[in-house]
Amino acid sequence: AQSVSQHNHHVILSEAASLELGCNYSYGGTVNLFWYVQYPGQHLQLLLKYFSGDPLVKGIKGFEAEFIKSKFSFNLRKPSVQWSDTAEYFCAVNARGSSNTGKLIFGQGTTLQVKP
Amino acid sequence: SQTIHQWPATLVQPVGSPLSLECTVEGTSNPNLYWYRQAAGRGLQLLFYSVGIGQISSEVPQNLSASRPQDRQFILSSKKLLLSDSGFYLCAWSSTGGYGYTFGSGTRLTVV
Repeated sequence: AQSVSQHNHHVILSEAASLELGCNYSYGGTVNLFWYVQYPGQHLQLLLKYFSGDPLVKGIKGFEAEFIKSKFSFNLRKPSVQWSDTAEYFCAVNARGSSNTGKLIFGQGTTLQVKP
Repeated sequence: SQTIHQWPATLVQPVGSPLSLECTVEGTSNPNLYWYRQAAGRGLQLLFYSVGIGQISSEVPQNLSASRPQDRQFILSSKKLLLSDSGFYLCAWSSTGGYGYTFGSGTRLTVV
């Protein structure tokens, strides 16, 4: 069965600091990878996704993530965070294949607090 | 365009009472449908998923059940709520293949 682990549960940064949130998954086959963000009081929004091709994926709002297959990782990065990036971030994975039910498995989430 | 509707937005129910949360999708056919629960500090846990009418798979043993009476309707139910059922419930849909997901606005359930 698939599982997703986000190592940082709560991250506090000052504005302009660089961000890296860790995400590791456990699954032996081919996967699709996602990062979602949930701003306070808002819906889940897709930040970026990886299906295939260039393992460095750029998303909205200056976020990017790198898929490292050998490490089963899909870490999220941003060079300079802003106060408005305060939110909860979720890494998610689903298994690709003909029998794919599309089950999206989420990590526990990381709460990012950016101090002005 | 495709839309997903989930209601109610908030719900306060006494222990032992029944539950029915409804989710409907518009603008697509034969979607994969999902129910997630978000509990504080525990991320998003997949509860049920459905790939077709009447086809329900449960991911975790629990006090809840799901049904899909129509192609674009997904219902989460309980006969008797427990305190531990409190949480934020999200419905989602995806097309076959799981390349994109759309989430509903969620239901905040408080069992008292």
